Amino acid sequence: EIVMTQSPAILSVSPGERATLSCRASQSVSSNLAWYQQKPGQAPRLLMYAASTRATGIPARFSGSGSGTEFTLTISSLQSEDFAVYYCQQYNNWPLYTFGQGTKLEI
Amino acid sequence: QVHLQESGPGLVKPSETLSLTCSVSGYSISSGYYWGWIRQAPGKGLEWIGSIFHSGSTSYNPSLESRVTISLDTSKNQFSLKLSSVTAADTAVYSCAAYSGSYRPFDYWGQGTLVIVSS
Repeated sequence: EIVMTQSPAILSVSPGERATLSCRASQSVSSNLAWYQQKPGQAPRLLMYAASTRATGIPARFSGSGSGTEFTLTISSLQSEDFAVYYCQQYNNWPLYTFGQGTKLEI
Repeated sequence: QVHLQESGPGLVKPSETLSLTCSVSGYSISSGYYWGWIRQAPGKGLEWIGSIFHSGSTSYNPSLESRVTISLDTSKNQFSLKLSSVTAADTAVYSCAAYSGSYRPFDYWGQGTLVIVSS
């Protein structure tokens, strides 16, 4: 099983600042890495796939990078609606999927 | 646009079988796509349970495989989850989701339904 580890567990950032979230895989997942955003009481929303490709409708302030085992999600200038929990997911070991434990982005 | 909606009992007794259904609209499940179940225990992260393909073949999380069955009902455009011998550790929000092909993330998600395991 590929284990996904996210850090930090909680990230406190002020609106307008940059946020950097990390995700590490226990073995290479190539670029088969997705990021999701989840707000309380809502379903997760796909933000990024193929490590760096924004999903439909995702603002340009969201960017992803990395390959292999180290990945980063960057939000360039935080808006109030960006405060949520973010999950990474590997799909390189398809069809066996695994998620990270999440990073809570708080004000 | 694919829309998914979970349904099923919100309370299940320990040792019994949890059964949930995902109703799909906006797409015929027999036409393609891959269909899955994910759960989230209170205060915890996301856990992939398993997936079923439009062909009917399945793949399950190894940690749950002995207790999980996912099946399609093409006549109702639904797919279902059965998890046997449940314990309190299976209390979670269960969500159905869909992805468009192999080596793809989940594109569409249902809202999720809370299932509590308690006597």
